[in-house]
Order: sequence, then structure tokens, then C-alpha cells
Amino acid sequence: DQQVKQNSPSLSVQEGRISILNCDYTNSMFDYFLWYKKYPAEGPTFLISISSIKDKNEDGRFTVFLNKSAKHLSLHIVPSQPGDSAVYFCAASRYSGGGADGLTFGKGTHLIIQP
Amino acid sequence: DTGVSQDPRHKITKRGQNVTFRCDPISEHNRLYWYRQTLGQGPEFLTYFQNEAQLEKSRLLSDRFSAERPKGSFSTLEIQRTEQGDSAMYLCASSPALGTNEQYFGPGTRLTVT
Repeated sequence: DQQVKQNSPSLSVQEGRISILNCDYTNSMFDYFLWYKKYPAEGPTFLISISSIKDKNEDGRFTVFLNKSAKHLSLHIVPSQPGDSAVYFCAASRYSGGGADGLTFGKGTHLIIQP
Repeated sequence: DTGVSQDPRHKITKRGQNVTFRCDPISEHNRLYWYRQTLGQGPEFLTYFQNEAQLEKSRLLSDRFSAERPKGSFSTLEIQRTEQGDSAMYLCASSPALGTNEQYFGPGTRLTVT
């Protein structure tokens, strides 16, 4: 039973354009949502997070949008750069920082930035 | 480098052997997590420590898996009588008690059971 779903295994975007990665969740108890980026042979690196009291959070080229009624969030990367090519994981938790639940991750989306 | 470190980075073992992995969290972080990641999947939460107390262990995959954090600093994850299905990346993460949503991950230990 996947509580966090990333339905696109891969996404190809041209350099300079916007990358939009999507994530859906089923557990209405989730209140914190995070995006991680992962390169091969490395651990996930935190990118950006949002709590359920907000609908948008921005950090430089990265913006996360949250639609609680649809149980959907998205990560926008503008403009996309070659170094953004990686696997992106969406994660969720009931508690700030994960707590005793840990983080629940999706399966990831492999973003490929084409020159 | 003051990030999360894990040792070893790679471990190859024969089925039936015991293995132990070590995680050193960021020094001021009192929360520590273990995850397992298999091919094509996201990390799967296994267990959680706050200081030396293991506050969640019901998600450990079987009774062959155990974890400790004896002095509230580094942690170990042990797998007894390894099986081929245990082959995976084992990730450790840490976070401070308050003030942040994110967990900081180490590079992981890749286990191969032959």
C-alpha cells in the first residue's frame, strides 16, 4: 500500500526550461512534505519542504506547491540546469522531522536535463 | 566534513553470515533513523532513536534485524543470518530535536548477500 506515489518514473526536460515533478499521497494525517535529490552512490540530499499550513514554499530555483484537498504536491525547478539531473524523491510525515514514524518516500522520478 | 558518515560503504557477505553497519550522525543531532532502499524503490523506514532510546522498532523487517545507539552518539545496525533478500542499500539519517523538518542522510552502506 503506497502512501506516497510518484507516478512518473522518468522525466526529460530541456536545459533552461521548467521541470515539474509530481507527487500524490493517500494518508490525510501527513502534515509535512519534503523533496530529496539523489545522485548515484550517494545518500539523498534535502532540497525543500513544506508544512500543511502553507500552499507554497520557495527556495531559489525550487518551489514546492501543496494542494491538500487533492492530496497532491509538485516541485518546480526553474530554470533547469544539467546538474539537476538526478532521482527526486517525495517524502511525507505526520510529524516535523519524521519523529517515530520516520519519513514515507515515493519511488522517485528520474529527471534528465537535456542540453 | 561534518555530515552523516556510514561504514563500511560496501559489504559483500555470504548467506547465513552476520553483518554490522555503523552510522555516525551529525554531532549535535539527537534523532537518528535507519532506512533500507532496494532497487527502484524509495527509502523504507526501519527504526528511530532519540538519544540512546529506541522509540520505534516495529518496522524492522524481521527479528534478524536489530539496532543500537548505546551512548546516544553513533549507532549500529546488525543483520543476523543474512539472506539474499537482504541485499540493499542501508541508509542512516539524523536530525536535531526541534526546528527543522528535514533529515540529513549519510552515503549509505550497500550490502550484497551471495
